Amino acid sequence: EIVLTQSPGTLSLSPGERATLSCRASQSVSSIYLAWYQQKPGQPPRLLIYGASSRATGIPDRFSGSGSGTDFTLTISRLEPEDFAVYYCQQYGSSPLTFGGGTNVAI
Amino acid sequence: EVQLVESGGDLVQPGRSLRLSCAASGFIFNDYAMHWVRQAPGKGLEWVSGISWNSGDIGYADSARGRFTISRDNAKNSLFLQMNSLRAEDTALYYCAKVRPMIVMNDAFDIWGQGTMVTVSS
Repeated sequence: EIVLTQSPGTLSLSPGERATLSCRASQSVSSIYLAWYQQKPGQPPRLLIYGASSRATGIPDRFSGSGSGTDFTLTISRLEPEDFAVYYCQQYGSSPLTFGGGTNVAI
Repeated sequence: EVQLVESGGDLVQPGRSLRLSCAASGFIFNDYAMHWVRQAPGKGLEWVSGISWNSGDIGYADSARGRFTISRDNAKNSLFLQMNSLRAEDTALYYCAKVRPMIVMNDAFDIWGQGTMVTVSS
């Protein structure tokens, strides 16, 4: 099983600042099999990034993904008030599919 | 509008069974693999099971294998999760989710339902 470790656990920032979230895999993940989700309280997750760097439909370009092998990054270039949420990475290249533990981006 | 609506969640005693359903609309259901993902209260996301578009490929998390059975009825645009021998640690909000591209078994999940709550307690 591929274990995904996200850091930091909590990221305290202000609107307008840049957020950099990390996702590290216990073994190499093909970049085409890495996704990022955003989840707000009381809502299901929302797909942001798939294939490590491709934005899902309707996702603003302030969200970007990068990385390869075992290290992946989600960057939010300038935080908007609606971006404060929990973010999860996911690998879907090998079964079982796994999620990281999440990063809480908080004000 | 593309939509997934889960149902069937309930409060059940340990050892009992429950069947979850997910009704899909707004897309060609039988073109896409479908999955179940759960989230325990205050915790992160855990993949439970997935099924290919034609039910030919099925996968389970270790926590679900042997107790849960995933199935689908393409004629009724529905996904199911039969859960037997339920344990307290199965307590969670269960989401059904659609994979992003057609035909592929495992991929990112682009559409999620609102979830149905399963509570296992005596």
